[in-house]
Amino acid sequence: SAVISQKPSRDICQRGTSLTIQCQVDSQVTMMFWYRQQPGQSLTLIATANQGSEATYESGFVIDKFPISRPNLTFSTLTVSNMSPEDSSIYLCSVAEGRGVTEAFFGQGTRLTVV
Amino acid sequence: AQKITQTQPGMFVQEKEAVTLDCTYDTSDQSYGLFWYKQPSSGEMIFLIYQGSYDEQNATEGRYSLNFQKARKSANLVISASQLGDSAMYFCAMRESRSNDYKLSFGAGTTVTVRA
Repeated sequence: SAVISQKPSRDICQRGTSLTIQCQVDSQVTMMFWYRQQPGQSLTLIATANQGSEATYESGFVIDKFPISRPNLTFSTLTVSNMSPEDSSIYLCSVAEGRGVTEAFFGQGTRLTVV
Repeated sequence: AQKITQTQPGMFVQEKEAVTLDCTYDTSDQSYGLFWYKQPSSGEMIFLIYQGSYDEQNATEGRYSLNFQKARKSANLVISASQLGDSAMYFCAMRESRSNDYKLSFGAGTTVTVRA
């Protein structure tokens, strides 16, 4: 199974600033995803990070607010831009490996508080 | 429409007893996968168990088993011999195959509290 390192694990940020979250995997993976979990809520998919091309965003999420990079098959970043208190959430990266996926793993998550 | 429904917001269970967490799903795909995750207060998502729609046997992983009833579109998680460390939020999730993109849809979650 893939080992996923996500940084930072938590941060407290001022409104109007931006935070970049990193996700590093110890092996090449086909698919990487970014999820958001607002307080007391379930996980919602933000986007699929595509290697070498623009990310695919879900309804309600836009590139200007959540720019994503994926320069290779083991690394991705998510930036939360121009933050407001409503962005306070846990952000998680996830990976899926190849066809016939029977496992899907997550990083440790980034607990973001915007003040 | 909700793809994954978990109707139990919270449950209490006595240590060493078994607990069943309900999950129903909605899909028109013939091929799909069902996942269960544990999320302790630290926030990490821990993969517990997987059931494929074509799997004839119910999945088991240690103290975790999945009661898969395909006709009812039900995939309940059973935790046997509960331990204090099992206290956490549990999420049911589904991957549909139609788009071949492997993204997951999650239920609302069930909080489990194990009592000594």
